[in-house]
Amino acid sequence: SQELEQSPQSLIVQEGKNLTINCTSSKTLYGLYWYKQKYGEGLIFLMMLQKGGEEKSHEKITAKLDEKKQQSSLHITASQPSHAGIYLCGAIVIIQGAQKLVFGQGTRLTINP
Amino acid sequence: GAVVSQHPSRVICKSGTSVKIECRSLDFQATTMFWYRQFPKKSLMLMATSNEGSKATYEQGVEKDKFLINHASLTLSTLTVTSAHPEDSSFYICSARDRVVLGTDTQYFGPGTRLTVL
Repeated sequence: SQELEQSPQSLIVQEGKNLTINCTSSKTLYGLYWYKQKYGEGLIFLMMLQKGGEEKSHEKITAKLDEKKQQSSLHITASQPSHAGIYLCGAIVIIQGAQKLVFGQGTRLTINP
Repeated sequence: GAVVSQHPSRVICKSGTSVKIECRSLDFQATTMFWYRQFPKKSLMLMATSNEGSKATYEQGVEKDKFLINHASLTLSTLTVTSAHPEDSSFYICSARDRVVLGTDTQYFGPGTRLTVL
């Protein structure tokens, strides 16, 4: 079965510092998604990566997918309190012919002022 | 961007009663919707895939008779937790897949429903 491992599980950084969250798959990824969740709320779509070596940026958040399509990283530059939350990577898997989105365990990000 | 709503956002019910949660795609048609469950400080667990006009597909370990799913239209799916028990207390999140734009296949999530069973 497809497994997604995120690291670290939790992260505390000083406001203004850079940080990186990693997502590793046991199998080749057909599509890798990054979502952000605030506790007790729904998920906010950040980015989707499909091609090996692909990189996308939105404001101060950059996500990359490696050439082998088994690892993705999410990098935040000059972190702000608004970046705090839970970051989840997700991947499309095919189970019994159906496409399903499964998630890593999440990374809880805290930004200290 | 695509918007998915859920109702109610929060519900408290007595043990033994049934609770219905609605998931709506507001500005797009979703032939497929998904229901997830999230335990405190845990990731999302896929419960079932809801297809418009057909029966839902449940993940292993999820009771079909316990969690009834109906996808009556392209914009609405409902999850009914029947004869709820305290162990059913959880955060339930739905998502809808927007297939209008080829190649994106992005799932958009609702804000979630927190169910507490007393």
